[in-house]
Amino acid sequence: SAVISQKPSRDICQRGTSLTIQCQVDSQVTMMFWYRQQPGQSLTLIATANQGSEATYESGFVIDKFPISRPNLTFSTLTVSNMSPEDSSIYLCSVLGGGFRTDTQYFGPGTRLTVL
Amino acid sequence: GENVEQHPSTLSVQEGDSAVIKCTYSDSASNYFPWYKQELGKRPQLIIDIRSNVGEKKDQRIAVTLNKTAKHFSLHITETQPEDSAVYFCAADLRGSNYKLTFGKGTLLTVNP
Repeated sequence: SAVISQKPSRDICQRGTSLTIQCQVDSQVTMMFWYRQQPGQSLTLIATANQGSEATYESGFVIDKFPISRPNLTFSTLTVSNMSPEDSSIYLCSVLGGGFRTDTQYFGPGTRLTVL
Repeated sequence: GENVEQHPSTLSVQEGDSAVIKCTYSDSASNYFPWYKQELGKRPQLIIDIRSNVGEKKDQRIAVTLNKTAKHFSLHITETQPEDSAVYFCAADLRGSNYKLTFGKGTLLTVNP
């Protein structure tokens, strides 16, 4: 079956810096998404990563804070910019299609971010 | 926007008993309702899902029921086992998108041997 990987798996960063998280799938997928899961909390959709165009952000999330790229059908990046301790979360990508069922989402392993 | 409420937040059962987790949603346009299981430190894993044209779906010890009129859906786990212990999340698709998901706050299920 298809595999979703994320890099880094975890990081500890200083406030004011930025971190770029990568999501790689070993097959072409229809859609890719980015979610945030704050410690002990539920998952919140940040944005849909659109291939070849700007991402579509959900309410409360903006491009300046969370720029997203999706240069092809197997790869996407999420940058967390100008970080503060409140950005400490697990960031997960999810995918639709490709080697997976085309009608539901499968999640990557997540990136655990701690901001000091 | 879409709101999904999930109850209870914690649930403790004895091995072999049944567990039921309930969710309600607010957006009448929603028509896709997945359930995910998340073990500590792991990614959420889809365990079962249901669409609005179906009232019930079963997969071995797991079943989901949907009442679209009342806007609620439930997860039923029978003959629980210790390995069922995890956090369970329900979700509904945003604005009937079929893929953008709003999640409930999760239920921590503990199955005691």
